[in-house]
Amino acid sequence: QKEVEQDPGPLSVPEGAIVSLNCTYSNSAFQYFMWYRQYSRKGPELLMYTYSSGNKEDGRFTAQVDKSSKYISLFIRDSQPSDSATYLCAMSGSGGSNYKLTFGKGTLLTVNP
Amino acid sequence: KAGVTQTPRYLIKTRGQQVTLSCSPISGHRSVSWYQQTPGQGLQFLFEYFSETQRNKGNFPGRFSGRQFSNSRSEMNVSTLELGDSALYLCASSLGDGTNTIYFGEGSWLTVV
Repeated sequence: QKEVEQDPGPLSVPEGAIVSLNCTYSNSAFQYFMWYRQYSRKGPELLMYTYSSGNKEDGRFTAQVDKSSKYISLFIRDSQPSDSATYLCAMSGSGGSNYKLTFGKGTLLTVNP
Repeated sequence: KAGVTQTPRYLIKTRGQQVTLSCSPISGHRSVSWYQQTPGQGLQFLFEYFSETQRNKGNFPGRFSGRQFSNSRSEMNVSTLELGDSALYLCASSLGDGTNTIYFGEGSWLTVV
């Protein structure tokens, strides 16, 4: 079983839709949870960063972490064509290992005008 | 504020050669990490340096090595290149003080022929 599982998609939605992206994980030591956006042939861009369980909102983006279920989500409201990219979830432990990120494989999202 | 800078952006090497990639972190960041991204394996952690010391290491063979200089700049080296080393190599930087906001550069595209 992989430590982090993420549906690769592809996911195609119309402009303005609410997008839900998810990851599950198996390592109980993970404490930090992140979402990155990666455009084609570019480096990953940090979107959201959450410590432990709970919700975090930033503009059109909401990140949720449910540690009891080992499940994290990213919601994108009012999706735009510019949101078309690969979305990567990433997580790490605490202490000395909090800079060692374990990534999901990424979900390819296309928002159609 | 300048982001994470990686050089060179693109390079082609022959099997058996070695390669050195360079990374300049965001000003003030003392933690530098390296990742390999391939279509099959996704993003995989190579190693992390903080204050010139390797603090974390991933599961890669000894052909992959790195170092960090006193100004936090980092290099990674791959010796005896194999075709399977063709990948996007990403450098990431962070303050390294326990916060987990980790920022990536645009990457170095390595093709081994």
